[in-house]
Amino acid sequence: DAGVTQSPTHLIKTRGQHVTLRCSPISGHKSVSWYQQVLGQGPQFIFQYYEKEERGRGNFPDRFSARQFPNYSSELNVNALLLGDSALYLCASSAQQTGGIYGYTFGSGTRLTVV
Amino acid sequence: SQKIEQNSEALNIQEGKTATLTCNYTNYSPAYLQWYRQDPGRGPVFLLLIRENEKEKRKERLKVTFDTTLKQSLFHITASQPADSATYLCAPTLGNQFYFGTGTSLTVIP
Repeated sequence: DAGVTQSPTHLIKTRGQHVTLRCSPISGHKSVSWYQQVLGQGPQFIFQYYEKEERGRGNFPDRFSARQFPNYSSELNVNALLLGDSALYLCASSAQQTGGIYGYTFGSGTRLTVV
Repeated sequence: SQKIEQNSEALNIQEGKTATLTCNYTNYSPAYLQWYRQDPGRGPVFLLLIRENEKEKRKERLKVTFDTTLKQSLFHITASQPADSATYLCAPTLGNQFYFGTGTSLTVIP
């Protein structure tokens, strides 16, 4: 079984540009969450989607948006990129909305560098 | 807002010893607490989950305790091995959102 897959693995963008990151959850998982991890820090919660509806939003500006598709894959969009958006963006999936006893399965992330 | 603190400094221990990592949280009451391992450049990997009504949980060489009065979880790795070297993250969880601590970097010295 494939794990959580994220694309692209690495990305370099210029300030002011827009970026779209993609995530495919484990087959059968209906919950997808997005996290931002700055070097030396723990992952910070951005969004959770379950059954194609937004179920949670972290403390991030409106430049960040996401959606979940009928096949449960998800996209994270960031507009008007700032240097401070440079980070590892992680996607996590779970079968249940609250993760359950098996926790969440993370992908390897997309390393975004804004120059 | 929620505040989660883990060992502020990196932890270096000798192979075979027990590593003990600390997670303290304030300003909320999580229903359960998760522990993850993260290797450089990789996503976190789920290790253990302990619920608020459980005092202790074990999995192979791992042991987690959860003290809701102290608002603290302890994570123990017994008979540590160099392969246990990684960053360990705690995530006190309430509902469908959880917040990670900054992590503790553990190095097991052969």
